[in-house]
Amino acid sequence: GQQLNQSPQSMFIQEGEDVSMNCTSSSIFNTWLWYKQEPGEGPVLLIALYKAGELTSNGRLTAQFGITRKDSFLNISASIPSDVGIYFCAASGTYKYIFGTGTRLKVLA
Amino acid sequence: NAGVMQNPRHLVRRRGQEARLRCSPMKGHSHVYWYRQLPEEGLKFMVYLQKENIIDESGMPKERFSAEFPKEGPSILRIQQVVRGDSAAYFCASSPPTGVGGYGYTFGSGTRLTVV
Repeated sequence: GQQLNQSPQSMFIQEGEDVSMNCTSSSIFNTWLWYKQEPGEGPVLLIALYKAGELTSNGRLTAQFGITRKDSFLNISASIPSDVGIYFCAASGTYKYIFGTGTRLKVLA
Repeated sequence: NAGVMQNPRHLVRRRGQEARLRCSPMKGHSHVYWYRQLPEEGLKFMVYLQKENIIDESGMPKERFSAEFPKEGPSILRIQQVVRGDSAAYFCASSPPTGVGGYGYTFGSGTRLTVV
């Protein structure tokens, strides 16, 4: 079945550093999204991308929808302690989303 | 202006019992989606419902699991005769009548089911 390969699985970074994570698939998707999940909570939508090549920013977050429609990346600039959490990519052709396995981010103050 | 409401937040069941998970969508939303998250994994699609209709249940196990979204009241995910492997976080999401489009879901906080 369809699956998303998300990397890295986990990262430990120093406060102030930039973070980059990506998601790839062998399938083409119409929509890519990035979610953040904190312990005990549901995922919260960070950025939605629905046009190939699109680059979108949300504060310190920047995400891109790959030109082949098979990948996406998320960058976080100047990380802060509250960026800690699990970041999931998700992709969709229609209403059903497929999620990556997550990137666990820990920020060291 | 409440978001997607799920209850209970935590549910403990003994093997063989039934688990009922409830989801009230956001106001004005008539589409509901259920996802399951196993420990250390991403979310997996289970079922998509509109009021009184199951649209897609391709991610739902064929046995013991059922879902409904009645005309009135919350959506219910029901797991009969629970087993330890059913222990997971179950998330509900909703979208407006126009569908999810490219805008992503709004998820609830989830129900964490533990089977002992």
